[in-house]
Amino acid sequence: KAGVTQTPRYLIKTRGQQVTLSCSPISGHRSVSWYQQTPGQGLQFLFEYFSETQRNKGNFPGRFSGRQFSNSRSEMNVSTLELGDSALYLCASSLALAGGETQYFGPGTRLLVL
Amino acid sequence: AQRVTQPEKLLSVFKGAPVELKCNYSYSGSPELFWYVQYSRQRLQLLLRHISRESIKGFTADLNKGETSFHLKKPFAQEEDSAMYYCALTQGGSEKLVFGKGMKLTVNP
Repeated sequence: KAGVTQTPRYLIKTRGQQVTLSCSPISGHRSVSWYQQTPGQGLQFLFEYFSETQRNKGNFPGRFSGRQFSNSRSEMNVSTLELGDSALYLCASSLALAGGETQYFGPGTRLLVL
Repeated sequence: AQRVTQPEKLLSVFKGAPVELKCNYSYSGSPELFWYVQYSRQRLQLLLRHISRESIKGFTADLNKGETSFHLKKPFAQEEDSAMYYCALTQGGSEKLVFGKGMKLTVNP
């Protein structure tokens, strides 16, 4: 099976712009979660989608949003970018049959905000 | 609030030495505990989870509810064990992972 894929892999934006990141889960996986990884804060949960519905949301401002499509692919959007949004954004998918299952991570999208 | 603490950021040992990577958690319910690993230039991947009670690549971890710990151990470290290790938990029925800050293990020849 192909692993989790994320596009683009690298992105440079300027403050005030918006950005959309994409994640394709492993075939058959229904849950997609997003994480932000920074040197200072480590890995922080952004949100989780299951069957096109947001099930969990982390402690991030409303500028961070996401959605999931019927084929389980997911996108996350960050509006009005700030310098502090520079980070590695990881997507993870799981079967989500019973909760607390193994998460399979993508390679990440590295976002640099100038 | 859920929290995972990995008290050490760095650990350097020689090949063949035992290693113990510490993890403590705070959570009011019954969490699922995991260890994830990231080798150089590879993506984050699951190493083991407490519910399966498996030994993966010689690593084991025991959940101690009294001490709220889930330390990762290996009796004889190998150079290929050099990586970043993250302890994480989920709450019942959720896919949300709460991660510790991670610990870099270096195994020297």
